[in-house]
Amino acid sequence: AQRVTQPEKLLSVFKGAPVELKCNYSYSGSPELFWYVQYSRQRLQLLLRHISRESIKGFTADLNKGETSFHLKKPFAQEEDSAMYYCALRPVSGYSTLTFGKGTMLLVSP
Amino acid sequence: NAGVMQNPRHLVRRRGQEARLRCSPMKGHSHVYWYRQLPEEGLKFMVYLQKENIIDESGMPKERFSAEFPKEGPSILRIQQVVRGDSAAYFCASSPGQGATTGELFFGEGSRLTVL
Repeated sequence: AQRVTQPEKLLSVFKGAPVELKCNYSYSGSPELFWYVQYSRQRLQLLLRHISRESIKGFTADLNKGETSFHLKKPFAQEEDSAMYYCALRPVSGYSTLTFGKGTMLLVSP
Repeated sequence: NAGVMQNPRHLVRRRGQEARLRCSPMKGHSHVYWYRQLPEEGLKFMVYLQKENIIDESGMPKERFSAEFPKEGPSILRIQQVVRGDSAAYFCASSPGQGATTGELFFGEGSRLTVL
């Protein structure tokens, strides 16, 4: 069985400060990891996936298999980054069903 | 493309009644997923369906819950004899299909069920 843990319910930072949203996972096989985001009054949507190795809206995330982590980082937070962030996992082989963490609310204050 | 459409957005039921939640996937998507979000909890997978087939229902409670995705029409999540513990937000998501397994799911806005 797979599990995704996001230890922080709420992360509050000031504009311009660095941000790191933590995500740890447990899965015996090879996982694919994702970050989804939900802005206020919007639908949950994909932010980035580890296999793409891309930076989206200044956010990056590196899969660390040794530490079983996939932390989301941004060097300088912006107010528009305030949202609910969910880390998600699925097996490399198999269905597209995702297992989500409980989410972390990021609040960026001016 | 209007995206994944869920209705009703809000549903109030009394204990013992039935709740039916509908989901129309994005145009061209043949796979539907239902998730439940309880207060203070994350999204919990319930069921994964293709047209006329249930692929994975490992997250569905054994009793009172059922789901279908008929050849024509929306996917329906049905909860019989609702109890207060069923109060939650129910989210539907869709994807193009197993052949396009990018891992991206497209979510609806959710249906919030309140059981009195």
